[in-house]
Amino acid sequence: EPEVTQTPSHQVTQMGQEVILRCVPISNHLYFYWYRQILGQKVEFLVSFYNNEISEKSEIFDDQFSVERPDGSNFTLKIRSTKLEDSAMYFCASSAQVGGTGELFFGEGSRLTVL
Amino acid sequence: RKEVEQDPGPFNVPEGATVAFNCTYSNSASQSFFWYRQDCRKEPKLLMSVYSSGNEDGRFTAQLNRASQYISLLIRDSKLSDSATYLCAVRGADGLTFGKGTHLIIQP
Repeated sequence: EPEVTQTPSHQVTQMGQEVILRCVPISNHLYFYWYRQILGQKVEFLVSFYNNEISEKSEIFDDQFSVERPDGSNFTLKIRSTKLEDSAMYFCASSAQVGGTGELFFGEGSRLTVL
Repeated sequence: RKEVEQDPGPFNVPEGATVAFNCTYSNSASQSFFWYRQDCRKEPKLLMSVYSSGNEDGRFTAQLNRASQYISLLIRDSKLSDSATYLCAVRGADGLTFGKGTHLIIQP
């Protein structure tokens, strides 16, 4: 069964450092997403990406965050200067279609710990 | 982004019992609706889509009430393995908005 894969599974970093989280979406999917979940809280939308550009982003996704699809397979989330409050599980997701009944498939997540 | 509200629980339910969760959403233009299951420190996994006419998948039944803007999930003959957090999700033009989830604990 095709799946979304994410690396690293866990990253520990110092406050102020740059972090890149990587995702390989399902190969024939066209829509990509990043969500985050702070421990004990709900899954929150960060950004959606289609046709090599951001289609929507939340208030959380400020100038410290960026996404790109550098090579047609990877989909990355970069946090330029991490803060303590960036500590969370970051989930990548992909779908074959947007809206309608298209299912989002989630990766297993990357746990980011900022010290 | 519009809100999706759920009772966080926990719901403590004996094995074999029937349990029901509700979820309300605020965006009347929402296009589709889902229940996801999330185990501790794992990713959300789709449990079932929710259709206007209601739908059933084994022990699970989902209902949608567009007029009142709520979604329900019914679990019959609950199993120990049903213990998890159940996330209501509402899909708009861009992606999913999740509720905080309802924590279910099935007790032997």
